[in-house]
Amino acid sequence: GAVVSQHPSRVICKSGTSVKIECRSLDFQATTMFWYRQFPKQSLMLMATSNEGSKATYEQGVEKDKFLINHASLTLSTLTVTSAHPEDSSFYICSAEDRASYGYTFGSGTRLTVV
Amino acid sequence: EDQVTQSPEALRLQEGESSSLNCSYTVSGLRGLFWYRQDPGKGPEFLFTLYSAGEEKEKERLKATLTKKESFLHITAPKPEDSATYLCAVQILTGGFKTIFGAGTRLFVKA
Repeated sequence: GAVVSQHPSRVICKSGTSVKIECRSLDFQATTMFWYRQFPKQSLMLMATSNEGSKATYEQGVEKDKFLINHASLTLSTLTVTSAHPEDSSFYICSAEDRASYGYTFGSGTRLTVV
Repeated sequence: EDQVTQSPEALRLQEGESSSLNCSYTVSGLRGLFWYRQDPGKGPEFLFTLYSAGEEKEKERLKATLTKKESFLHITAPKPEDSATYLCAVQILTGGFKTIFGAGTRLFVKA
């Protein structure tokens, strides 16, 4: 089945620095990928929809300049958390649509801790 | 307002004790309903897609059903390895496609 690889799985960074998270679709092309944020014991919150070759669509309340999304190819989308602060600490997950099942294949997630 | 509600929030079962998880939804323009399993610290794992009322899907000890207002995930004779959070998501047509996730049901199966 479709596989989405997300890297890194864990990252600890200092406050004020930027962190890049990569999401790759393996063995299939993903024109659209999605980025989510998940707080402990809560469900997934869609942050933005990443479209290959065009600007990402952000959900209401998500800062575009804070969470930079780039989808330069059909297999790679990146999320950069700029000038990270402790409140940005969270679990970030990407997904791509699996056209075979019309479901979504998720990456394994990235645990970001800002100290 | 489009909404997806899962119940119960948490469920504790003994090994072999069958039960059901509920996902109720109030949305317009349903395209599909998805069930996922999520283990702690990992991304969700796709289980089923249901498209129309009356549809059923099975996989090992899991069976998903769908009506016009809700979906059930039936777990038959669960094992400890079935312990996880089960997420329900509804995809709707609203200009483009939009997916709304429920808060999940945390399942604990004790040996």
